[in-house]
Amino acid sequence: QKEVEQDPGPLSVPEGAIVSLNCTYSNSAFQYFMWYRQYSRKGPELLMYTYSSGNKEDGRFTAQVDKSSKYISLFIRDSQPSDSATYLCAMSARRGSTLGRLYFGRGTQLTVWP
Amino acid sequence: DAGVIQSPRHEVTEMGQEVTLRCKPISGHNSLFWYRQTMMRGLELLIYFNNNVPIDDSGMPEDRFSAKMPNASFSTLKIQPSEPRDSAVYFCASRLGQYNQPQHFGDGTRLSIL
Repeated sequence: QKEVEQDPGPLSVPEGAIVSLNCTYSNSAFQYFMWYRQYSRKGPELLMYTYSSGNKEDGRFTAQVDKSSKYISLFIRDSQPSDSATYLCAMSARRGSTLGRLYFGRGTQLTVWP
Repeated sequence: DAGVIQSPRHEVTEMGQEVTLRCKPISGHNSLFWYRQTMMRGLELLIYFNNNVPIDDSGMPEDRFSAKMPNASFSTLKIQPSEPRDSAVYFCASRLGQYNQPQHFGDGTRLSIL
C-alpha cells in the first residue's frame, strides 16, 4: 500500500463548477499537508499548506484535513479554465524516520472547459 | 526572485551515454531534493541533501545513478550508463529551513534515452 493514495482522474468539469479533489493516507505521523498545482511541462507549484486538522481558505481554494479519517480535500469554487492542471497532494511527518521527506499522491488531472 | 533553475530543459541521448542534470537551488535554501516523474509511478524522491550532505538516497534506483552537491548553490544528478527506462522528467526542488517548510520546484529536465 502506498503511503498516499490519490485518484488520478481525469476529471472534467464545466466552468463555474465546484471541484473536489481528495487524498487518503496511511501514516498517522503526517502532520503537514500541502497541495501543489502542476501545469503541463512545468514543475509543481505550492498552492495550499495546512498544519494538522482543520480548514484553510485562500480565495477560491479551500483545503480541509480530517486526521481522524486520514483524509484531505481541496475544493475549488467557481472553477476557471485556467485551473486546468494536475493537482498533487503532499504530506510530511513531524518526527521519525521519514522526517524531511514529502510524500506525494499520483496527482489528479483536472480540465475545466468553458 | 529567481526560482530553482534546472538545465538542460530537454535532453535526448542514446542508450549507454552519460547524462548529467544540473540544479541551482533558491539562494539561501539549505535542503535540495531530486525527483523523477513518470506517468506510471508519479513523482518519486531519488535523493535529498541537507546543508550539502546526502541524507536519504534510498530512492536512487541503482548504482548507475549518482548525485553530488559540492556547494550550497549547485547540484548534479548523473546517470552512467543511461538506459531507455531512465526516460522521465527529473525535477529538482529546494527548501528553506526545517521539515515543516514547503519545497519549491524547478521546471524539470525532460530526458529521453533512445
